[in-house]
Amino acid sequence: NAGVMQNPRHLVRRRGQEARLRCSPMKGHSHVYWYRQLPEEGLKFMVYLQKENIIDESGMPKERFSAEFPKEGPSILRIQQVVRGDSAAYFCASSLTFSSGNTIYFGEGSWLTVV
Amino acid sequence: DQQVKQNSPSLSVQEGRISILNCDYTNSMFDYFLWYKKYPAEGPTFLISISSIKDKNEDGRFTVFLNKSAKHLSLHIVPSQPGDSAVYFCAASARDDKIIFGKGTRLHILP
Repeated sequence: NAGVMQNPRHLVRRRGQEARLRCSPMKGHSHVYWYRQLPEEGLKFMVYLQKENIIDESGMPKERFSAEFPKEGPSILRIQQVVRGDSAAYFCASSLTFSSGNTIYFGEGSWLTVV
Repeated sequence: DQQVKQNSPSLSVQEGRISILNCDYTNSMFDYFLWYKKYPAEGPTFLISISSIKDKNEDGRFTVFLNKSAKHLSLHIVPSQPGDSAVYFCAASARDDKIIFGKGTRLHILP
């Protein structure tokens, strides 16, 4: 499967625990994006990363959220001390380049439920 | 501040007829526009895109129209089929910037 791979697909966490969501981009893609979809909302941009660099994190909440895309391995979106409001679908996307006319391709998503 | 707006949360269309989904944007710097389709519990799937240098792009049953002066684009699906029932997201980006999505329109194709 050469598509964007996300895991886990479903994750249940108690309030105060940590959630880690992983994303492997499409083969050959070095640009990764994370979007969040809250119930009844659209897709909200969170962060854009290249290998080992955060390029744009303007959509990330200032506290508890962090993202990385190491030289080796998948991109990780980490949410510390989760709260009920973090319950959402988190989508990762990847692209070949980052320029005008860029199309991004999404994974199947990770559904986080905080109980 | 919503830069990409899809004002119709839902739309119902008879099978075989034309579906028209609308999208407005506020940022005049946007130069690339995309439509994505999303089924429940799945990730969004890229459908079709258009550059700001064009006013129309067609791919099979899907056509996207861009009216830059009105800051408006639309997606036409004809003929509509049952498998087209999904949520459709309009998206836009400015040069070398991230892609911004609208809230989506849920399309129901009626038998």
